[in-house]
Amino acid sequence: DAGVTQTPRHEVAEKGQTIILKCEPVSGHNDLFWYRQTKIQGLELLSYFRSKSLMEDGGAFKDRFKAEMLNSSFSTLKIQPTEPKDSAVYLCASSLEGRGGEQYFGPGTRLTVL
Amino acid sequence: GQQVQQSPTSLVLQEGENAELQCNFSTSLNSMQWFYQRPGGSLISVFYNPSGTKQSGRLTSTTVIKERRSSLHISSSQITDSGTYLCAVNYAQGLTFGLGTRVSVFP
Repeated sequence: DAGVTQTPRHEVAEKGQTIILKCEPVSGHNDLFWYRQTKIQGLELLSYFRSKSLMEDGGAFKDRFKAEMLNSSFSTLKIQPTEPKDSAVYLCASSLEGRGGEQYFGPGTRLTVL
Repeated sequence: GQQVQQSPTSLVLQEGENAELQCNFSTSLNSMQWFYQRPGGSLISVFYNPSGTKQSGRLTSTTVIKERRSSLHISSSQITDSGTYLCAVNYAQGLTFGLGTRVSVFP
């Protein structure tokens, strides 16, 4: 079975641009998560979907970050407009079980905003 | 707030030595996982261990919920064990991560 896939693996954007990151969860998984990883803050939850419904929209990340789950096998994370402080690795994860199930992570997208 | 604290921050081992990594969490949890990550690499799930003890090869994880702690034991460390080990706790929605323990194993 394929694991979680993410594209692109690397993205370079100018400040103010709009970027869209993509994720395909493990087939059959009901929960999908977006995280951000930086050296200073570590890993932080951005969004959480359960059966395509948005359960967590990331609090402090709400204003410029928007995650969508168009169908059960595809999700996007849009950042608009990008700022240099958004430079980070963006990770997508999925889980089969409900609350508290084991999460499987994709390889991540490394975003650099100039 | 709900936090996850890991110790030590870093660890230097000579090949063959044992090590124990600690993770402490602040409130009741749904589950917890240990992950391994090389610099620039993916997050690899090492253990999904909501409670009790699990072993995989030279790695053993023990979670004691009532004491709000989990440990990861590495026995007979090898150079390939070098990397960062992250503890993550599911309190409600999504995982809350610790900052990790960076392990360096030298010959």
